[in-house]
Amino acid sequence: QLQLQESGPGLVKPSETLSLTCTVSGGSIRSHDHFWGWIRQPPGKGLELIANIYYDGTTNYNPSLISRVTISVETSKNLLSLRLSSVTAADTAVYYCARLYYNRGYFDYWGQGALVTVSS
Amino acid sequence: DIQMTQSPSSLSASVGDTVTITCRASHIIKDYLNWYQQKPGEAPKLLISASSSLQGGVPPRFSGSGYGTDFTLTISSLHLEDYATYFCQQSYSGWTFGQGTKVEIK
Repeated sequence: QLQLQESGPGLVKPSETLSLTCTVSGGSIRSHDHFWGWIRQPPGKGLELIANIYYDGTTNYNPSLISRVTISVETSKNLLSLRLSSVTAADTAVYYCARLYYNRGYFDYWGQGALVTVSS
Repeated sequence: DIQMTQSPSSLSASVGDTVTITCRASHIIKDYLNWYQQKPGEAPKLLISASSSLQGGVPPRFSGSGYGTDFTLTISSLHLEDYATYFCQQSYSGWTFGQGTKVEIK
């Protein structure tokens, strides 16, 4: 059974860089049919795609975040990573990693989520 | 950008009721519409893909329909475990979610 697990600091200071890692287990990140994405959800609010990536490095970014986001994969370790720079309180959210079935565009496996709070 | 608008934002219903949630896209998205269920403190769970294809393990009381810009999620005979927030998501151009519909106990 595929499992995804986010990890990283739960508290980040304003103007600093948020860094998260997603460990994929029970399957390979080198799946030909799937991209891997980061989605966030501010407290009490809706879902927003941040970016997604194919194992070969092909990426798609949310246009509103593209200037601050870096997404990457480390295929040898089955890891997905996210970096979001110059954070503000508006970036406080639960961050999910998820598998994206690219052909139809749905997210079929999700991590449990990691709450990241931006505060001094 | 394609915007997704769900209605209502919240609703109250009793066990056994039939519930209908609507999702409207700002542009034609064919059937590139997916539905998710999210319970408090949990990640979203995929219920339906391609407007009407039920995912494995999802009870048949859940159904989806629609094409183009207007879509519906129907829950027939609401169960206690169905009280949750439901999101639609388009994947025709990029990936955007509706704002969610919270189904509460009446």
